[in-house]
Amino acid sequence: DTGVSQDPRHKITKRGQNVTFRCDPISEHNRLYWYRQTLGQGPEFLTYFQNEAQLEKSRLLSDRFSAERPKGSFSTLEIQRTEQGDSAMYLCASTGEPRGYNEQFFGPGTRLTVL
Amino acid sequence: SQKIEQNSEALNIQEGKTATLTCNYTNYSPAYLQWYRQDPGRGPVFLLLIRENEKEKRKERLKVTFDTTLKQSLFHITASQPADSATYLCALGNYGQNFVFGPGTRLSVLP
Repeated sequence: DTGVSQDPRHKITKRGQNVTFRCDPISEHNRLYWYRQTLGQGPEFLTYFQNEAQLEKSRLLSDRFSAERPKGSFSTLEIQRTEQGDSAMYLCASTGEPRGYNEQFFGPGTRLTVL
Repeated sequence: SQKIEQNSEALNIQEGKTATLTCNYTNYSPAYLQWYRQDPGRGPVFLLLIRENEKEKRKERLKVTFDTTLKQSLFHITASQPADSATYLCALGNYGQNFVFGPGTRLSVLP
């Protein structure tokens, strides 16, 4: 257990539905990252926050994806009008003191299946 | 565009041997390189970080080298054990920027 939690762990939805995932980082960490990972691939960067500010967003990220971190603690990732191509593992990671910003602590992921 | 390659999709070795995994990159100048371990259905777990001005780093049975001229990192697991079987990911980073991951190498250590 890294101290980063994600909810839900699994989500099955029908195409066209909206889904929302939650990530609770390690409490001292002020940076939070979202990644998407498909089978046989490494995690693909989606976006990251420093405190409540969203500092970077992947150019590959569709407008259907939005993320928030309203109080600089937990974060949510919403996917609107899901498509079958959105099926993947969605990973959250956090960094910060005391270990610094170069070591990411990952959550267990949310596996999304779009039917 | 940035590209990261890891030597092979899968690597099988015999228990007790040294496993060597490679990570090659192009169109990138990372300040540091990381290695992670990922077990099926779980998030990656950080193992080691090596900075651009470091040639080698060790941690117990793990050794990482970093050659910025060749744009390559080697990751070694000595005296490998079946419990070392997992997917190993390399990731490149620069200060203040996001991380870029390779596709991973699935290592199987056979008893």
